[in-house]
Amino acid sequence: AQTVTQSQPEMSVQEAETVTLSCTYDTSENNYYLFWYKQPPSRQMILVIRQEAYKQQNATENRFSVNFQKAAKSFSLKISDSQLGDTAMYFCAFMKPRTGNQFYFGTGTSLTVIP
Amino acid sequence: NAGVTQTPKFRILKIGQSMTLQCTQDMNHNYMYWYRQDPGMGLKLIYYSVGAGITDKGEVPNGYNVSRSTTEDFPLRLELAAPSQTSVYFCASSYYQRQGASLNEQFFGPGTRLTVL
Repeated sequence: AQTVTQSQPEMSVQEAETVTLSCTYDTSENNYYLFWYKQPPSRQMILVIRQEAYKQQNATENRFSVNFQKAAKSFSLKISDSQLGDTAMYFCAFMKPRTGNQFYFGTGTSLTVIP
Repeated sequence: NAGVTQTPKFRILKIGQSMTLQCTQDMNHNYMYWYRQDPGMGLKLIYYSVGAGITDKGEVPNGYNVSRSTTEDFPLRLELAAPSQTSVYFCASSYYQRQGASLNEQFFGPGTRLTVL
């Protein structure tokens, strides 16, 4: 099985500041996908951003961007101009496009945005 | 377009009871999944299905059963509930095709909080 590690159980950031959440993964695959999901207190899982491993360019979605280092097997999430609504659990996930397209999730990072 | 819906939202079971968690999606997705999320942990895959009539085990299938008779529905059955099955259960779906664009991302339901006493 693939392993996904999020080494920061909790983080906090001042409103309007920038924060980076780390994620590393272990795989022997060359073709795969990486995702960041957000889980606010409502428990709903919401896709934040995705990255295809074959693309060298880092994905960006508005205030969210990733730093994808394939050789280092690292996939960090940067949140710029943090807002109170960004307070949530953030999960990193790995998917290999094989039968079932199974996802492997990290244990999550709890992010608190401080007013 | 409701997306992925799950029922019930909450349930308390006694040890040894059985129940079915319902999951329906209206996006015509071929792939569907069941996860459990224990406190402070990520999601663990219980079972998945790549189409009607096809199911397979994930990381933690023991104590559960699934069926997929239609594209839309993917119920999860607990036959003999145990305290270790206390968790939040999420159903998800995605669309995949061998040729052409696939969504790959998974769309999640709102979850079912299950307590076994």
